[in-house]
Amino acid sequence: NAGVTQTPKFRVLKTGQSMTLLCAQDMNHEYMYWYRQDPGMGLRLIHYSVGEGTTAKGEVPDGYNVSRLKKQNFLLGLESAAPSQTSVYFCASRAPGRVYEQYFGPGTRLTVT
Amino acid sequence: SQKIEQNSEALNIQEGKTATLTCNYTNYSPAYLQWYRQDPGRGPVFLLLIRENEKEKRKERLKVTFDTTLKQSLFHITASQPADSATYLCASYSSASKIIFGSGTRLSIRP
Repeated sequence: NAGVTQTPKFRVLKTGQSMTLLCAQDMNHEYMYWYRQDPGMGLRLIHYSVGEGTTAKGEVPDGYNVSRLKKQNFLLGLESAAPSQTSVYFCASRAPGRVYEQYFGPGTRLTVT
Repeated sequence: SQKIEQNSEALNIQEGKTATLTCNYTNYSPAYLQWYRQDPGRGPVFLLLIRENEKEKRKERLKVTFDTTLKQSLFHITASQPADSATYLCASYSSASKIIFGSGTRLSIRP
């Protein structure tokens, strides 16, 4: 099993450009999450999904959109990138009713200039 | 608001000693706390979960305690090794589906 994979690994955007980050998991997990990690601020939840076709806002959703059209994929979109969105983005998944551990992807390092 | 707080200062200890990391929570009473390890450039990896009715949990050289009176969890690594050097994150669920993380404590084990 590959676990949780993320593409791309790195990306540099100019202010105002758009992009989509892809997260895929092969563990048949219901729940999926997008976080951003900034120095000194820990992991902050952007959006999450509790099943195919569902999405919900997390702690810092502004400037991001998500879609969960297939159970195994969770997409994070930036419609108009801003320098404040420079961060490392992590995707995670978990199975409901399990010991609640989340499985994380390797991260995407995004720089917005 | 619900918060998980960890000592942001790095912890440096000698190989073979016990490392102790602290996690404090405020404005809620989590049913359980989790600990994750994160290496540079990688995603966090789950280590242990402890429930509020468990005073202590062990896994190999790891030990976690949960004190609901102090609103605190302690994470211990006994007989520490340089390979234990990493950032350790404390986390807990604020609702059925949302988890909140502390900012992590960087641990360095010197030979």
